[in-house]
Amino acid sequence: EVQLVESGGVVVQPGGSLRLSCAASGFTFDDYTMHWVRQAPGKGLEWVSLISWDGGSTYYADSVKGRFTISRDNSKNSLYLQMNSLRTEDTALYYCAKDIGRGGYPLYYFDYWGQGTLVTVSS
Amino acid sequence: DIQMTQSPSSLSASVGDRVTITCQASQDISNYLNWYQQKPGKAPKLLIYDASNLETGVPSRFSGSGSGTDFTFTISSLQPEDIATYYCQQYDNLPPVTFGQGTKLEIK
Repeated sequence: EVQLVESGGVVVQPGGSLRLSCAASGFTFDDYTMHWVRQAPGKGLEWVSLISWDGGSTYYADSVKGRFTISRDNSKNSLYLQMNSLRTEDTALYYCAKDIGRGGYPLYYFDYWGQGTLVTVSS
Repeated sequence: DIQMTQSPSSLSASVGDRVTITCQASQDISNYLNWYQQKPGKAPKLLIYDASNLETGVPSRFSGSGSGTDFTFTISSLQPEDIATYYCQQYDNLPPVTFGQGTKLEIK
């Protein structure tokens, strides 16, 4: 059974930093592109970032570019999101999501999601 | 970036009704369009991919159609368990992946 379990969400002050983690199991982690998608309270879904199966390619939404860094450790079946210079508008539930495409052929949509970890940016 | 415009933003219907949601892309995205269902407090779930293909295990009352810029998502006979928010998502012009703003479906 595929499982994605996010952690690391806390309350942090504006300008602060945070690292989110996503532990994956039930599939061959290093075969798949992985994504972070967020959802502000009561709002819609916003794609944040993706990383290729081997970590060689990364992409970011304009809203987080230069502040967030996505990474992965395939030996630990884990995905990360380093979040710096946090703003109040970064407050959201952050989901880790698995791309449906395999290997070097991501399809840029999602067949499995975690339950999310809540990041609150507030003074 | 490609903008996705969903309508309506909310919808109230009775059990057994046919329900239709539309999604319009700001430019041609061929059939690179998916539909997700998100129940309260839960993660989204993929229902339809490539505009009209039903994901494995999804009931056949759900369907999708369209290509280019205009897409439709239909529930042929609304069931109580279909209460959720539905999102379209394009994956033609990347990055970024973009979602519609969502349609909240309620039972009348």
